[in-house]
Amino acid sequence: AQTVTQSQPEMSVQEAETVTLSCTYDTSESNYYLFWYKQPPSRQMILVIRQEAYKQQNATENRFSVNFQKAAKSFSLKISDSQLGDTAMYFCAFIIQGAQKLVFGQGTRLTINP
Amino acid sequence: NAGVTQTPKFQVLKTGQSMTLQCAQDMNHNSMYWYRQDPGMGLRLIYYSASEGTTDKGEVPNGYNVSRLNKREFSLRLESAAPSQTSVYFCASSEARQGVLGLRGFFGSGTQLSVL
Repeated sequence: AQTVTQSQPEMSVQEAETVTLSCTYDTSESNYYLFWYKQPPSRQMILVIRQEAYKQQNATENRFSVNFQKAAKSFSLKISDSQLGDTAMYFCAFIIQGAQKLVFGQGTRLTINP
Repeated sequence: NAGVTQTPKFQVLKTGQSMTLQCAQDMNHNSMYWYRQDPGMGLRLIYYSASEGTTDKGEVPNGYNVSRLNKREFSLRLESAAPSQTSVYFCASSEARQGVLGLRGFFGSGTQLSVL
């Protein structure tokens, strides 16, 4: 069975600091996609960044970047120069290529303090 | 604005009551999904529809039924609500070519359902 584990239920940092959210996953498949979603208090699910497992280069989207370690099955999210608007619940998720089921982790509640 | 529209946004039911959550997308997506979100458990797939006319069970289908009314609409029905179904429900849709929700996927804004 595929599983995703986020070991940090809550994190808190000061504005402008860099923060890293952890995510590990378990699958026997070799072709899959990994994602980080942001859920602000509005409840909307927003795709932050995605990574194709066959790509060795880590994905980057502005202040957001990932550290993808395929052998270790680790997929952490780094937020640089954090902003108050980054305060949200963050979910790690993955899906097997060709499958329909997106598997989510438990989420990390991130608070950015002024 | 294009996207996924869910109704209602909030609902309170008594145990045993029934209700239908409505979802519609205007992006011409083939695949649609229903997830539930519970504290500490992330989102879990209830049912999905890979294309018009087809539906399949996800991880937690018990107590729910779905209907893919047409390409745009995918409804979720609770026939006899139970307190364990208190949750936030999300509808989502995606392009079907790769069946990968995240690449071309969109979520609705969610329905907060409380069953007393």
